Amino acid sequence: DAGVTQSPTHLIKTRGQQVTLRCSPKSGHDTVSWYQQALGQGPQFIFQYYEEEERQRGNFPDRFSGHQFPNYSSELNVNALLLGDSALYLCASSFGGGPTGELFFGEGSRLTVL
Amino acid sequence: AQRVTQPEKLLSVFKGAPVELKCNYSYSGSPELFWYVQYSRQRLQLLLRHISRESIKGFTADLNKGETSFHLKKPFAQEEDSAMYYCALIQGAQKLVFGQGTRLTINP
Repeated sequence: DAGVTQSPTHLIKTRGQQVTLRCSPKSGHDTVSWYQQALGQGPQFIFQYYEEEERQRGNFPDRFSGHQFPNYSSELNVNALLLGDSALYLCASSFGGGPTGELFFGEGSRLTVL
Repeated sequence: AQRVTQPEKLLSVFKGAPVELKCNYSYSGSPELFWYVQYSRQRLQLLLRHISRESIKGFTADLNKGETSFHLKKPFAQEEDSAMYYCALIQGAQKLVFGQGTRLTINP
C-alpha cells in the first residue's frame, strides 16, 4: 500500500501564475483534505472533498479551489499566486467523510513563489 | 474561535527523563483532541486521540476540561522519541485545527 501520494514534490512558480497539485488517497479511502503548512507553523485546513463535493472549507480565499475525481483522487488549484502562498501543501485522506480525526498524510508538495 | 496553543516551540530533555509536551485549547462544546507526530524524513501521522484513552509508544495524554489542556506525557524519554509533535482538535466534519508544534529533542 503506497499510502497517500502527492505530486509534484517540489515546484517553483512566479507571482501571478497558477499551480495545480495532485493527490491520490490511501487505498480504500474516499475523503481528501488539503492543508497548507507555512514554515514553522502547524498545518492549516484549506478544504475537504467527499463524494466529489467540497464539504468543508477553511479560511482561504477563492483563489484556492479543488476538485475530486470519481476515483477519489484530488487536485488543489491556486490562481494568481502570491509570495505568501509559498508553503508545503499537504494532502490527507480518510474514509467516510465523517469526523474520525484520523488522517493519513502525504509527504507534501513544496511550493515556492518568486 | 477554536484554537490550539503549544507554548513551547522547542523542548530538549535527556534520555530516561520524563517528558511533557504542553497543549492548551479553546473550544466551545466537547472537544475531540489528538496528538500527531512527524519523525525525521517521515510523514505526519496520528500518535493518539483522547477518546481512545490508550498509551502509544509509552505516551499518554489526558483531557483536562477545567484547564482546557491536553498535555502529552511519557515517564522515560527514549532517543527515538525525537520528533515534531502537533496537538490538534477536530472541528466540523473533518477539519483539524493544529497547534504550531513542538520540536522534541532527546539528548543521549
